[in-house]
Amino acid sequence: EIVLTQSPGTLSLSPGERATLSCGASQSVNRYLAWYQQKPGQAPRLLIYDASNRATGIPARFSGSGSGTDFTLTISSLEPEDFAVYYCQQRSNWPITFGQGTRLEIK
Amino acid sequence: EVQLVESGGGLVQPGGSLRLSCAASGFTFSDYWMHWVRQAPGKGLVWVSRINSDGRSSSSADSVKGRFTISRDNAKNTLYLQMNSLRVEDTAVYYCARDFAVAGYDAFDIWGQGTMVTVSS
Repeated sequence: EIVLTQSPGTLSLSPGERATLSCGASQSVNRYLAWYQQKPGQAPRLLIYDASNRATGIPARFSGSGSGTDFTLTISSLEPEDFAVYYCQQRSNWPITFGQGTRLEIK
Repeated sequence: EVQLVESGGGLVQPGGSLRLSCAASGFTFSDYWMHWVRQAPGKGLVWVSRINSDGRSSSSADSVKGRFTISRDNAKNTLYLQMNSLRVEDTAVYYCARDFAVAGYDAFDIWGQGTMVTVSS
């Protein structure tokens, strides 16, 4: 099973700042990595698929990069609605696995 | 509107059974693979099971294999999860989720609101 490790566990930033979230895989997942956003009491929302492709309706301030074992989700300028928990997920190897999440909180 | 609505959650004793349903609308259900993903209280997301578009092929996580069965009724636009021999550690919100693309992609673009399953004596 591929283990995804997200860092940091919690990120404290202010609106307007740039956020950089990391996801490391225990073995290569090529570019088969997705990112999700989850707000309290809500279902997750797909943000990025295949490492760098924004899903439908996702604002351009969200971008993804990386390949192999190291991936990054960047939010260029934080909006108040971006404060949430973010998960990465790999589909390269069975079983599908998720990272443990990064909590993005308002500083 | 594309929508998934889960039902069937509740409180059940260890060793008991429960069947979850997920009603789909706003898209051609029979075109898409479907999944169940769960989230224990205060914890992260865990993939549980998936089924292909015609229901003939499925797979599940080792933690639920032999206890949970995923199925679908394309005529009723409904996905199911039959959960038997439930354990305390199965306590979670269970989400149904649509696969991102037809023919299977293993990412999830549409999610239901979730249904809570609590296993406790």
